[in-house]
Amino acid sequence: AQRVTQPEKLLSVFKGAPVELKCNYSYSGSPELFWYVQYSRQRLQLLLRHISRESIKGFTADLNKGETSFHLKKPFAQEEDSAMYYCALSMNSGYSTLTFGKGTMLLVSP
Amino acid sequence: DTEVTQTPKHLVMGMTNKKSLKCEQHMGHRAMYWYKQKAKKPPELMFVYSYEKLSINESVPSRFSPECPNSSLLNLHLHALQPEDSALYLCASSQEGTTAGANVLTFGAGSRLTVL
Repeated sequence: AQRVTQPEKLLSVFKGAPVELKCNYSYSGSPELFWYVQYSRQRLQLLLRHISRESIKGFTADLNKGETSFHLKKPFAQEEDSAMYYCALSMNSGYSTLTFGKGTMLLVSP
Repeated sequence: DTEVTQTPKHLVMGMTNKKSLKCEQHMGHRAMYWYKQKAKKPPELMFVYSYEKLSINESVPSRFSPECPNSSLLNLHLHALQPEDSALYLCASSQEGTTAGANVLTFGAGSRLTVL
């Protein structure tokens, strides 16, 4: 069975500091990994996915199959980055069967 | 239209009531989902519909009854719920098949359900 682990419930940093939100996964096949974000009072939305290999709002994430990790990074955090971040895994099938990690709340202080 | 719309936004019901949650999308997505999210917890998958047919039921109690009347609509019928069923119910949709978008979910804002 697939599992996603986000070890930190809360990550608190100052504005301008680097940020790394950790995500490890276990799955026997070849999954697709995602980061979803939920800002206060807003709907859950996709931040990025590993196959896109792009930077969104300054965030990047690299899939490390050897370490089964998909950590989310940003070199300089902004206050507007404060939100709940969920790492998620999906098996490659005709539709998505997302399994979410427990989430990490990122708080960026001025 | 690139949104998933859910109604009502808030619902309060007694344990003997029958109510329904509705979800609508006009993005041409052929997979639709119901998730349940308790406070400070991640969303948990309940049901998946693919081409209007139920593909996954994650052992959800029968007091929750999904329905997909057409490719744009998804309902969740509620009957004889318990207080512990109080949660945010999220609808989502995605493309189907092997396209690049098949694994990308677009979520609605949710229906916040309180069972008294």
